[in-house]
Amino acid sequence: DIVMTQSPDSLAVSLGERATINCKSRQSILYTSNNKSYLAWYQQKPRQPPKLLIYWASTRESGVPDRFSASGSGTDFTLTISSLQAEDVAVYYCQQYYTTPLTFGGGTRLEIK
Amino acid sequence: EVQLIESGGRLVQPGGSLRLSCAASGFTFSSHWMHWVRQVPGKGLVWVSRINSDGRTTAYADSVKGRFTISRDNAKNMLSLQMNSLRAEDTAVYYCVRDGGHRGDYWGQGTLVTVSS
Repeated sequence: DIVMTQSPDSLAVSLGERATINCKSRQSILYTSNNKSYLAWYQQKPRQPPKLLIYWASTRESGVPDRFSASGSGTDFTLTISSLQAEDVAVYYCQQYYTTPLTFGGGTRLEIK
Repeated sequence: EVQLIESGGRLVQPGGSLRLSCAASGFTFSSHWMHWVRQVPGKGLVWVSRINSDGRTTAYADSVKGRFTISRDNAKNMLSLQMNSLRAEDTAVYYCVRDGGHRGDYWGQGTLVTVSS
């Protein structure tokens, strides 16, 4: 199984400041045939299902604010919120879609400082 | 509007069986792979199973292989998860998830399965 490791486990950032979450896969999730990393990012607010933010490691889902961006390829990935808003308080998960079993990172809890 | 509505979750005894359903609407169900993902309240997300668009190809997490069966009825826009030999560790909220092309682009609200005597 591809183990996905997120860091940090929790993060407190001031409103308007930048938040950065990291995700590392134990093996590459880059398909060389199309040069796409099969990595998605989700946001889960309390008492809600997860919401897709990013796919193909860096493609923002339709309707997601542009303060959310992501980067990375192969094994190392980053989700960045450029200017934290109150509504961004949530748990963030990365997931690899490269192969089954699909696996998630353990989650990063983002709070306001 | 895409909608995924899960049902069937309840309290069941260890060793028992349960069938979860997910009613899909607002999109061409037969064109999409579908997944089940579960989450113990307060814990992380765990992928359970996947089925391809015509129902012929499935995949399972090792923890449920041989006990759970995923299926779909494209005529009725319905996804199902038959859960047998349930264990306490299967207790979780179960989400129905649409695969938008190597990503879970729509999630249902979830249905709670509790396995306890």
